[in-house]
Amino acid sequence: QKEVEQDPGPLSVPEGAIVSLNCTYSNSAFQYFMWYRQYSRKGPELLMYTYSSGNKEDGRFTAQVDKSSKYISLFIRDSQPSDSATYLCAMSGGSYIPTFGRGTSLIVHP
Amino acid sequence: KAGVTQTPRYLIKTRGQQVTLSCSPISGHRSVSWYQQTPGQGLQFLFEYFSETQRNKGNFPGRFSGRQFSNSRSEMNVSTLELGDSALYLCASSLRGYNEQFFGPGTRLTVL
Repeated sequence: QKEVEQDPGPLSVPEGAIVSLNCTYSNSAFQYFMWYRQYSRKGPELLMYTYSSGNKEDGRFTAQVDKSSKYISLFIRDSQPSDSATYLCAMSGGSYIPTFGRGTSLIVHP
Repeated sequence: KAGVTQTPRYLIKTRGQQVTLSCSPISGHRSVSWYQQTPGQGLQFLFEYFSETQRNKGNFPGRFSGRQFSNSRSEMNVSTLELGDSALYLCASSLRGYNEQFFGPGTRLTVL
């Protein structure tokens, strides 16, 4: 079992939809949970990070962490074609190096 | 503020050769991490440098090495290249820790 599991997709949604992206993990020592967006042929771009459990909102993006279930989510409201990209979750904490999910490909069609 | 820059952007090498990649972090960032990204394995941590010292290392063979200079610029070297080293190599800099890293555009290495 990989430390971080993420469905590769692709996830195809119509413009304006609410998108839910998820990751599960096995290492309970992880404390920081990050979401990155990566466009084709570009480096990952940090969207947001949360520390420990709870929710965090930034514009159309909301990150949720449920440490008891070892499950994290990223919600995108009012999705736009420009949101079409690969979304990577990542985790770190304590003495553990950053561990990334394989990424979910999102396609938002007009 | 200028972002993370990496040079070169594309590189083609043959098996057995060695390669050096360069990364300039965001001004003021002292931590530089290197990652390898492949379709099969995803994004994997190579190593991190902070104030010219390697602070953490991933699970890669010794052919992969790096260093950091006093101005925080970093280089990564891969010796005796193998076909499996073909990948996108990403550099990320941060002020505080792994939770807030900023990535460069990457160097696409192709080994023939």
